[in-house]
Amino acid sequence: AQSVTQLGSHVSVSEGALVLLRCNYSSSVPPYLFWYVQYPNQGLQLLLKYTSAATLVKGINGFEAEFKKSETSFHLTKPSAHMSDAAEYFCAVSEAGANNLFFGTGTRLTVIP
Amino acid sequence: DAGITQSPRHKVTETGTPVTLRCHQTENHRYMYWYRQDPGHGLRLIHYSYGVKDTDKGEVSDGYSVSRSKTEDFLLTLESATSSQTSVYFCAARQGPTSGNTIYFGEGSWLTVV
Repeated sequence: AQSVTQLGSHVSVSEGALVLLRCNYSSSVPPYLFWYVQYPNQGLQLLLKYTSAATLVKGINGFEAEFKKSETSFHLTKPSAHMSDAAEYFCAVSEAGANNLFFGTGTRLTVIP
Repeated sequence: DAGITQSPRHKVTETGTPVTLRCHQTENHRYMYWYRQDPGHGLRLIHYSYGVKDTDKGEVSDGYSVSRSKTEDFLLTLESATSSQTSVYFCAARQGPTSGNTIYFGEGSWLTVV
């Protein structure tokens, strides 16, 4: 069965500091992994995805994530937080042949000036 | 732009009334989805469609039905709305046939059942 755990429902960082949002997954087969961002009152926008190519995936807005099979993790990072990064972030997993994404419960990122 | 529009964007309805939410897409996606978003639960799948007239249940399908008579339209119906169905509903569509393809989302429909 597929599932995703996001550690920390709220994360606060100072502007310019490292952003680290944690995601661990459970999957019985090699997964596809996604990070989405949601700004207030908007839909979800894809940040990046892992589809079994390079384990370090670069996305939009300076974000990147690394797939670590041994740790079943897909943590999202950004070297320097910007005020515009304040949003809710969702990690999601899918398996080959599956028709659906399974989402984590989300992490709300606050950026402190 | 994923070409997915939802209507209505905001609705307040009374308990026991039927409600239909509409999703329209312009990219000829085969797969379409309805999710609900609630605090502490993330997004949960209600129903999805893998073609015209082909639908299947998701993890929270009780109290909901769907229909897809055309590729571009996917309707979600609450037969008799309850307060527990107050939520934000998102329509989504998948870019391609494989599980690694991106799922794109609409802007959401805020439903309040009073």
